[in-house]
Amino acid sequence: NAGVTQTPKFRILKIGQSMTLQCTQDMNHNYMYWYRQDPGMGLKLIYYSVGAGITDKGEVPNGYNVSRSTTEDFPLRLELAAPSQTSVYFCASSYEGGKYQPQHFGDGTRLSIL
Amino acid sequence: KQEVTQIPAALSVPEGENLVLNCSFTDSAIYNLQWFRQDPGKGLTSLLLIQSSQREQTSGRLNASLDKSSGRSTLYIAASQPGDSATYLCAVNGETSGSRLTFGEGTQLTVNP
Repeated sequence: NAGVTQTPKFRILKIGQSMTLQCTQDMNHNYMYWYRQDPGMGLKLIYYSVGAGITDKGEVPNGYNVSRSTTEDFPLRLELAAPSQTSVYFCASSYEGGKYQPQHFGDGTRLSIL
Repeated sequence: KQEVTQIPAALSVPEGENLVLNCSFTDSAIYNLQWFRQDPGKGLTSLLLIQSSQREQTSGRLNASLDKSSGRSTLYIAASQPGDSATYLCAVNGETSGSRLTFGEGTQLTVNP
């Protein structure tokens, strides 16, 4: 059982470039989340989704976009990369809204904007 | 707005010692509190989830307690081992946050052989 899979694991971008961070889960979870973690800090929620076709903003959504066309996939897009977006990005999923079951995390994408 | 604080930020102990990590939160209206472990370069692994109606949860050498009214949780690690070295994060799932977790900044634990 793969769980939550994120690609790529590492990436370096130039300022102004765009890219998509991929996330897929094979647990048939309805809820999916994108977090970013800056050095020495906790995780901050960027966007989340409660099911296919439904997304909502988290705490730090500016500069990012998401879509959820299937239950399995929840890609995160950076349109115009900025140095402030250098961070580690984690995707997570849960069966329900996390009231009774923990969120499951991928191994992260380490992104540097130069 | 929910805020989660973890103390200490870093902790170094000799192998075999029992230790306590602390987590506090400002809004007691929560569904649950979770403790995660994060190894360098890795994602988060869920250790324990305590529902708001529970006082504690145990898994092996780990015991987590919750005092919702005072906004506090502790993670107790018994007989620590070098393999316990990692960053430990607590997160709360608030009733008003719509299934979103609010994380603390973590405690970086080093267990020395």
